[in-house]
Amino acid sequence: GESVGLHLPTLSVQEGDNSIINCAYSNSASDYFIWYKQESGKGPQFIIDIRSNMDKRQGQRVTVLLNKTVKHLSLQIAATQPGDSAVYFCAETPLAGGTSYGKLTFGQGTILTVHP
Amino acid sequence: DTGVSQDPRHKITKRGQNVTFRCDPISEHNRLYWYRQTLGQGPEFLTYFQNEAQLEKSRLLSDRFSAERPKGSFSTLEIQRTEQGDSAMYLCAGSRGSYEQYFGPGTRLTVT
Repeated sequence: GESVGLHLPTLSVQEGDNSIINCAYSNSASDYFIWYKQESGKGPQFIIDIRSNMDKRQGQRVTVLLNKTVKHLSLQIAATQPGDSAVYFCAETPLAGGTSYGKLTFGQGTILTVHP
Repeated sequence: DTGVSQDPRHKITKRGQNVTFRCDPISEHNRLYWYRQTLGQGPEFLTYFQNEAQLEKSRLLSDRFSAERPKGSFSTLEIQRTEQGDSAMYLCAGSRGSYEQYFGPGTRLTVT
């Protein structure tokens, strides 16, 4: 079936470095994407989203890039801090109606570890 | 804090028992979603409500599972005759429309 996947299951960086987490998706009907951060024992925390009519969106220290041609999504975290250590998930959904409307499909997740 | 709360946070039950979980989204959330997450995996969709109407159920939601949102506010998820395979984190998310789903802290279920 359709799925969302991640290229790298783990990523280790030094504090202050920039981090890039990648995600590949296969559902061509997907037109809305979200990145979530999940700390141990907690629910996923919304970070940033992007719609398919955009290829880049910036937030505070985070940027999401969307390449619809190759169905690739990335999350860039600037000046990574130890508090950014968590599991990061990308999620996607089609918005154009149908029963999947708004239903998120999550990828496996990438573990980000930030060393002081 | 997303404003979405779930109760209980942890539940340990014996196989065969029934359990019920509750989710309270914020008042603006006309949509409410239930997901299940097992260790090392991303959340998997179970079901969702638009106001009080249950619009879709995943094939993961066997006949032992039932969910309600009687007044379009809080929601409950009940599992009857629990099995060890039901052990997971059960997550609730709310949204206004289909954008920006905000998750609660989850209910960790352990079936012994």
